Amino acid sequence: DTEVTQTPKHLVMGMTNKKSLKCEQHMGHRAMYWYKQKAKKPPELMFVYSYEKLSINESVPSRFSPECPNSSLLNLHLHALQPEDSALYLCASRKRTSGQRDEQFFGPGTRLTVL
Amino acid sequence: TQLLEQSPQFLSIQEGENLTVYCNSSSVFSSLQWYRQEPGEGPVLLVTVVTGGEVKKLKRLTFQFGDARKDSSLHITAAQPGDTGLYLCAGAFYNQGGKLIFGQGTELSVKP
Repeated sequence: DTEVTQTPKHLVMGMTNKKSLKCEQHMGHRAMYWYKQKAKKPPELMFVYSYEKLSINESVPSRFSPECPNSSLLNLHLHALQPEDSALYLCASRKRTSGQRDEQFFGPGTRLTVL
Repeated sequence: TQLLEQSPQFLSIQEGENLTVYCNSSSVFSSLQWYRQEPGEGPVLLVTVVTGGEVKKLKRLTFQFGDARKDSSLHITAAQPGDTGLYLCAGAFYNQGGKLIFGQGTELSVKP
């Protein structure tokens, strides 16, 4: 099973709203990621959690606030977003095995529109 | 700066044609992944290559990892409309916190 789930599938919010994106995986992976992706561009890394601790923040504005309640769940809290934040938000989890194999499995994404 | 150059960026071909997508870097990767993404969906992992010179086949798709682990290619034989999508290569450095270096993507359109 290589499934990462994300909710909601679509989200429309105003610039004054507060909303949250959710991500879940039950593969026992101990690293989880948030990415932002604009149309026809590669994903851009936002945050990395490793063993439920924030290990990488790619200088993301504070209006994006990640949270990792446990090893299976990852949230992204959104507040006071701008229209240019509209994008596909992807969650991924990382599988590491011996022999330097390093794979990330992505969820289906949340299509966010900020009005 | 670690870069992964992917080419071509756009490819429009007829059903039945063959094509090759390339990813090149000056960095040595511990592994390299190829993903396929459809509009509005997340990238789906197609293959991971780890060993220099490795060749993997997935039906009509052939993936190669360069001997020096700096470059990779994806070859599709007899492309079909169902192959249409965004193809992404991504290089990984095993001990760098799991960050992936993505190529810019190849948007493939296969016309019937």
